[in-house]
Amino acid sequence: NAGVTQTPKFRILKIGQSMTLQCAQDMNHNYMYWYRQDPGMGLKLIYYSVGAGITDKGEVPNGYNVSRSTTEDFPLRLELAAPSQTSVYFCASRYRTLDTQYFGPGTRLTVL
Amino acid sequence: AQSVTQLGSHVSVSEGALVLLRCNYSSSVPPYLFWYVQYPNQGLQLLLKYTSAATLVKGINGFEAEFKKSETSFHLTKPSAHMSDAAEYFCAVSGEGYNKLIFGAGTRLAVHP
Repeated sequence: NAGVTQTPKFRILKIGQSMTLQCAQDMNHNYMYWYRQDPGMGLKLIYYSVGAGITDKGEVPNGYNVSRSTTEDFPLRLELAAPSQTSVYFCASRYRTLDTQYFGPGTRLTVL
Repeated sequence: AQSVTQLGSHVSVSEGALVLLRCNYSSSVPPYLFWYVQYPNQGLQLLLKYTSAATLVKGINGFEAEFKKSETSFHLTKPSAHMSDAAEYFCAVSGEGYNKLIFGAGTRLAVHP
């Protein structure tokens, strides 16, 4: 199993541009999550999904959108990128509630 | 609402010394608690978790944590620090409905010779 994979690893965006961060898992996990990590702030939940076709907002959803059309994929869309979205983004997944949550390697995004 | 407070953003210990990383939680429902570790430029890995079984939980790499309901704490300990333990450690509590995790701000552990 590849586990949780994220692409790209690094990206620089200009203000106002858009992009999609890709996340995929091959463990047949129902639950998938997107977090952002900023220095000294821990991980903040952006969006999550409890299954294909079901998504919900986390703590910091503004400026982002998600979709979950398949069990495997959970892309995160940034529209109109802003400097405040400069961060490291982590995708995670788990099979059931309270199971171990597995994290991807992260995407480092800089908005200039 | 659920929340986690990690006391001490940076902790420094000598190799061979006791490691103690503090975590206090707030939860309106019976909590499930987790410790994760993050090595530089990597994602997070699970160290251990408490899911209402034994209150003393043993994890990987010699770490353990004790759930104390009366103190709303879940502190992480290791009897003897190793240089390879240098990393950032995150405590997390299950969110209401148990569908998500709420993370603390993290504690960066430095181990010096």
